[in-house]
Amino acid sequence: DVKVTQSSRYLVKRTGEKVFLECVQDMDHENMFWYRQDPGLGLRLIYFSYDVKMKEKGDIPEGYSVSREKKERFSLILESASTNQTSMYLCASGLGSGQRHGYTFGSGTRLTVV
Amino acid sequence: AQTVTQSQPEMSVQEAETVTLSCTYDTSESDYYLFWYKQPPSRQMILVIRQEAYKQQNATENRFSVNFQKAAKSFSLKISDSQLGDAAMYFCAWGSGNTPLVFGKGTRLSVIA
Repeated sequence: DVKVTQSSRYLVKRTGEKVFLECVQDMDHENMFWYRQDPGLGLRLIYFSYDVKMKEKGDIPEGYSVSREKKERFSLILESASTNQTSMYLCASGLGSGQRHGYTFGSGTRLTVV
Repeated sequence: AQTVTQSQPEMSVQEAETVTLSCTYDTSESDYYLFWYKQPPSRQMILVIRQEAYKQQNATENRFSVNFQKAAKSFSLKISDSQLGDAAMYFCAWGSGNTPLVFGKGTRLSVIA
């Protein structure tokens, strides 16, 4: 089975800190995604990548950046964390053949910014 | 932009009964894919079922089936013989070509023993 591993399950950071959320997948998937999940808002796409060193903005990229130096790793960076970035962050990966197979998700990182 | 709407924020069902979760979507694409994901309290998103828009036959996976009405842009999930383990958030999602999956806001399903 494909595994998508997010480095932290829970994280507490202070306002203004630089935060790194790491995601690693082990099945050679080309595509990787970062979503944010908030109650009543569902999943919203932050950034995605279809290849190494490639990145595309999703629907809510403000305040975030990403890095994909290796195929298996996709990092989400909060340059200066703010309280409105307190949320659940979900990483996902998928095959390169478009969206036909859906995605495999990690188990999420619940980030609290205080 | 594509949108996915789940009009039922919460639903409940008696154990062993059948429940249907609603999902509608808006797209001008003709070739796309639809998905239902389950998110239990463990937070792990699990793919429940998928449907290819060009296939008229409704997808089925054991107790889970869909009612796909392409003209109406409707994609509902039916859970038969509901079990306590079915209690979760359910998300409907749409995807096509290079467009990442768009998710609905979710429906929280409770199963009553």
